[in-house]
Amino acid sequence: EAGVVQSPRYKIIEKKQPVAFWCNPISGHNTLYWYRQNLGQGPELLIRYENEEAVDDSQLPKDRFSAERLKGVDSTLKIQPAELGDSAVYLCASSLDPLRPQHFGDGTRLSIL
Amino acid sequence: GESVGLHLPTLSVQEGDNSIINCAYSNSASDYFIWYKQESGKGPQFIIDIRSNMDKRQGQRVTVLLNKTVKHLSLQIAATQPGDSAVYFCAENPTGANNLFFGTGTRLTVIP
Repeated sequence: EAGVVQSPRYKIIEKKQPVAFWCNPISGHNTLYWYRQNLGQGPELLIRYENEEAVDDSQLPKDRFSAERLKGVDSTLKIQPAELGDSAVYLCASSLDPLRPQHFGDGTRLSIL
Repeated sequence: GESVGLHLPTLSVQEGDNSIINCAYSNSASDYFIWYKQESGKGPQFIIDIRSNMDKRQGQRVTVLLNKTVKHLSLQIAATQPGDSAVYFCAENPTGANNLFFGTGTRLTVIP
């Protein structure tokens, strides 16, 4: 079974520029998550989708972050404009449902100059 | 917010020895717990999970113990191998939250 696929693996941009991350979850997984992981810390949830519906976006900084999951499969996470403090690894995870193990992709490492 | 912490940030063990990684959680309402392994440059990899109606669960070379009385979780790795070197996270899912809350992690180093 193919795992969660994320792209790009690395992204370097200047502050105030926009950036987007893409995630393809494991086939059949209805629940999709975006996390942010700062260096030396555990992942922190940004948003959770059930199919195409964002059911928990309470930790998403909505002034600059947006996400979508059209058709309930792939998802994109966007930052516009990026700030220096956004440098982190952005992880996508998926699960069959919220009470099953989450499986993570390898993330996108974002560096803001 | 939720708080999941680890007793030790680093752990070094000799190859072949058993490893024990500990984790304290704060929410007594949490009913689902997962251990993840994260290698450098990779995403967290699922190791083993346990629900609150159990106090022990075993996998291949790994055992998770749950003590709800003191809100403590541990991961035991038998016959630790160099490939086990990584950062280990525990995560809890409070009842009704349907989200995982991660601790900071413990870095396990296996000495050949």
